[in-house]
Amino acid sequence: AQSVTQLGSHVSVSEGALVLLRCNYSSSVPPYLFWYVQYPNQGLQLLLKYTSAATLVKGINGFEAEFKKSETSFHLTKPSAHMSDAAEYFCVLGGNEKLTFGTGTRLTIIP
Amino acid sequence: DTGVSQNPRHKITKRGQNVTFRCDPISEHNRLYWYRQTLGQGPEFLTYFQNEAQLEKSRLLSDRFSAERPKGSFSTLEIQRTEQGDSAMYLCASSLGTSSETQYFGPGTRLLVL
Repeated sequence: AQSVTQLGSHVSVSEGALVLLRCNYSSSVPPYLFWYVQYPNQGLQLLLKYTSAATLVKGINGFEAEFKKSETSFHLTKPSAHMSDAAEYFCVLGGNEKLTFGTGTRLTIIP
Repeated sequence: DTGVSQNPRHKITKRGQNVTFRCDPISEHNRLYWYRQTLGQGPEFLTYFQNEAQLEKSRLLSDRFSAERPKGSFSTLEIQRTEQGDSAMYLCASSLGTSSETQYFGPGTRLLVL
């Protein structure tokens, strides 16, 4: 069975502070993992993806994520938050032809 | 690359009416997916095509729902006898064809059933 758990449906950070969005997964097959972002009134956009090549994955807009098999985690980080990072973030599990989405984390940036 | 497009972007209908949505994938992509997203939730898989063949359908896809991709290019999703519970954002995505490939999403069609 495939499942994704995102810890924290809402996260608020100050501008310039570290962003950490948590994701844990469960998969019966080798996982492919993605982070997608959804800005208000826009479609889903890929931030980054893990496909077993390297455990530390760098994405767009300064985001990165580390795959930890022992912890079944794929947390998303950014060293310094920017106002434009305010959006909904989805951790997504692939590997069996379709994507399984987490419930999402809404990131708010405090000026 | 013009991206994935979906039409209409918004649809308001009365309960019991039929609705049809269209998705145009990125031109060289042979896989096309449909997802449904309700308020406060992540998208949920409905069905997918490889070329014109529909390879998998979720149990979420009741018999009132039907999807086609007749020539392996655009796809349509039809909902018959709509119910208020069908109100959601319907998302289409396309990819090059393996499970590790990125799925590129369209802007979605927001359906409201009154």
